[in-house]
Amino acid sequence: GDSVTQMEGPVTLSEEAFLTINCTYTATGYPSLFWYVQYPGEGLQLLLKATKADDKGSNKGFEATYRKETTSFHLEKGSVQVSDSAVYFCALSEESGGYQKVTFGIGTKLQVIP
Amino acid sequence: NAGVTQTPKFQVLKTGQSMTLQCAQDMNHEYMSWYRQDPGMGLRLIHYSVGAGITDQGEVPNGYNVSRSTTEDFPLRLLSAAPSQTSVYFCASSYVSGVGNSPLHFGNGTRLTVT
Repeated sequence: GDSVTQMEGPVTLSEEAFLTINCTYTATGYPSLFWYVQYPGEGLQLLLKATKADDKGSNKGFEATYRKETTSFHLEKGSVQVSDSAVYFCALSEESGGYQKVTFGIGTKLQVIP
Repeated sequence: NAGVTQTPKFQVLKTGQSMTLQCAQDMNHEYMSWYRQDPGMGLRLIHYSVGAGITDQGEVPNGYNVSRSTTEDFPLRLLSAAPSQTSVYFCASSYVSGVGNSPLHFGNGTRLTVT
């Protein structure tokens, strides 16, 4: 079945450091890929997405590129801020029986210190 | 816009009690789902629905019931609460898309403790 692998963390960075959170996946077909972010006490919200190979999703300074050859969708940001502290979930979505089946990674906690 | 609204935000139950977690969305989404979030396990799908009158089981359905009488509402019922159901519960909705790239919209969660 489908699966998404990402490190749980926590990842601790100083403000203005470069961020990479790795995400790899296995899927039977051609999934869409997503990064969701969860701030403390809130639900998940979409950060960015990519729907086909070589697409780059971007939002709020975060980027991720859909790499079919390495089955990866790594999240990057050039300069993190304290306000980026949150849990980041990688996810894939595939059509299954007329609906989209979504598989989430375990979530990576990011802590940014001043 | 309200989006996805979950109530209550917090709940404490004793073992064996029953309760209903409420979820409502105002985006006319066909697809609605319930997840539970536990430390070290990410999000696991409990039940989902692709439209009014249609529900199906997800990954961890035991101990939970759902119904979908309207497009807007998707309540989750715990028939006899157990300590293993202590968790944070999220309702999420989206359009049903043949392309499969419609993102999920989440509520803010219900933190349930069963003693």
